[in-house]
Order: sequence, then C-alpha cells, then structure tokens
Amino acid sequence: GQQLNQSPQSMFIQEGEDVSMNCTSSSIFNTWLWYKQDPGEGPVLLIALYKAGELTSNGRLTAQFGITRKDSFLNISASIPSDVGIYFCAGSIQGAQKLVFGQGTRLTINP
Amino acid sequence: DTGVSQDPRHKITKRGQNVTFRCDPISEHNRLYWYRQTLGQGPEFLTYFQNEAQLEKSRLLSDRFSAERPKGSFSTLEIQRTEQGDSAMYLCASSPPGGGYNEQFFGPGTRLTVL
Repeated sequence: GQQLNQSPQSMFIQEGEDVSMNCTSSSIFNTWLWYKQDPGEGPVLLIALYKAGELTSNGRLTAQFGITRKDSFLNISASIPSDVGIYFCAGSIQGAQKLVFGQGTRLTINP
Repeated sequence: DTGVSQDPRHKITKRGQNVTFRCDPISEHNRLYWYRQTLGQGPEFLTYFQNEAQLEKSRLLSDRFSAERPKGSFSTLEIQRTEQGDSAMYLCASSPPGGGYNEQFFGPGTRLTVL
C-alpha cells in the first residue's frame, strides 16, 4: 500500500526562524494536503495542493506539490510560539477518497 | 458555520464492552470518513461514506467494527467486544460534494481507552 515518509520527525528551533519539512512517497499522488494537530485535538487543514509544481501560500506557510508527484514540501517563515504542534502531510491517489498520512513532524519552538 | 462535531470526546470502557461514537459532519458535506490514530502516528483510514452509502472499508475495520450513516447526515461507529488494542483516537472528517477535490475537515476526535 501507499506509504508517506515525512521528515524530519522532530524539530527544535528558535522563535523567528524559518522551518522546512517534507514528505515523500513511493507512489504518485494527485492530491497533497498539509495539516497541523494540537494535543488532544483533530488535525486542522492548512494547505491543499492539486497540481504538480503548484506552489500555494497561506500566510506565513508555503507548500509545494513536487513535479514528480511523489513529494511535497511545507515551509513556515518567521516562526512564532503558536506554530508549535505536529504537522502531517497527507495524500490521495487518483480516484481514491481515503487519505494516507505521514508520521508527522513535531515542531518545538524555544522563545 | 460549525465544524465537524464528535461525541463523546472521551470514553473509558472495560474490555469486552461495546461502545458507539457519533459524528456530525459540516452541513451539506456529503462525504464522511472515519480514521483511527494511535499515539505518535498519523491517522489511518477506516471507512468512507458518500451520502448514506458506505463505499470503502479498510482491512483495519474488523468484523467487530461497524459504521452507519442512515440518512446521509450524521454517522455512528460502533465497536463490539472492545479489546485493549482498540484504544486510540477515533477521528471523523467530512468533505463537500464536487469531484477532484479531496479537502477533508476533521472533528476533534473521540479518545477511547479500553481497560
């Protein structure tokens, strides 16, 4: 089955730094989504990507759909304390409804 | 515009008991999904409804699990004869009609603890 490899597993940064994380797959995906999850809560959708090469921003967040359709990247600029949490990538293949999730990147910010 | 709601938020039960969870999707979202998330992992797909029809089920959904969406609105997920391995966060998500777009909006989840 499809698997997503997300890296890094965890990040410890200083407030104000930029953050980069990525997700790779052995399969081609036609949808990439990025979510943020706080403890005890459900994932919150940050960015959705539907075309190879697409670059989409949401405030300080920017995500890209890789041209091979097997990877995606999320960047956070000028991190702030409320960015702390676990970030998940998720993807779906052509014609499928279910999402396959990565293992998550845990972001910790030192003030 | 209210989001996806789930009830209860927490459930503690003894092994062998049956439990039922409810999910209310975002209004007018015809697609509804159930996922399970264990500690330190991403959510794993369980099942998918379009309106009242259950169109896909994961192998994770053993015969002790059953999901329904009788009127195409809210959904229930029942686990019979619970086992300790069923302890997890059960997440519901919904998405609007329209082909090609798969944005799924999640509820807060129901955390199940089986003693």
